[in-house]
Amino acid sequence: SAVISQKPSRDICQRGTSLTIQCQVDSQVTMMFWYRQQPGQSLTLIATANQGSEATYESGFVIDKFPISRPNLTFSTLTVSNMSPEDSSIYLCSVESRGGYYGYTFGSGTRLTVV
Amino acid sequence: RKEVEQDPGPFNVPEGATVAFNCTYSNSASQSFFWYRQDCRKEPKLLMSVYSSGNEDGRFTAQLNRASQYISLLIRDSKLSDSATYLCVVNLVFTGGFKTIFGAGTRLFVKA
Repeated sequence: SAVISQKPSRDICQRGTSLTIQCQVDSQVTMMFWYRQQPGQSLTLIATANQGSEATYESGFVIDKFPISRPNLTFSTLTVSNMSPEDSSIYLCSVESRGGYYGYTFGSGTRLTVV
Repeated sequence: RKEVEQDPGPFNVPEGATVAFNCTYSNSASQSFFWYRQDCRKEPKLLMSVYSSGNEDGRFTAQLNRASQYISLLIRDSKLSDSATYLCVVNLVFTGGFKTIFGAGTRLFVKA
């Protein structure tokens, strides 16, 4: 399965600022997924990022708040913009394993605390 | 009703015990099923896929009951290292795309 390098692993940010999270995959993948996991909760999909087109956002998430870049088939970034304490969460990127029928591989996550 | 429901636990069991987790899903169009393991402060990692015929991987057995829309995970001879949160994951495939839904997870503590 793919190996994903995600960074930063954690950060503490001031409210009103923005943080960009990067994910690098060791192989070419069509789709990359960005999730949020709030404390004690399961994973919620933020958006799906395809190379060469705009990301597709899930209900409750908007591009202005979570802009995503997907410049090539091995890399993506998620920016958390104009942060507030409610954005404190773990953010994870993931890719499919063998078309999704074998589940997903996740990056190691970014633990974000907004103060 | 949640699309994927799990007993949050926690399950506290002694080493060597057998423990079973259940997960129910609401959409009968769900097509593929997985159990993930998530250690504290770590990312989820695929434990096993779940097939209609049931499947076993060492001490772990997963089963799917499509008629009742639930999947299960059985862990035999629990080890301390099995302590983690176990996530039930369901893939819905529909025309034009698919959707992956994660359960909230069941916490397991295995004690010496």
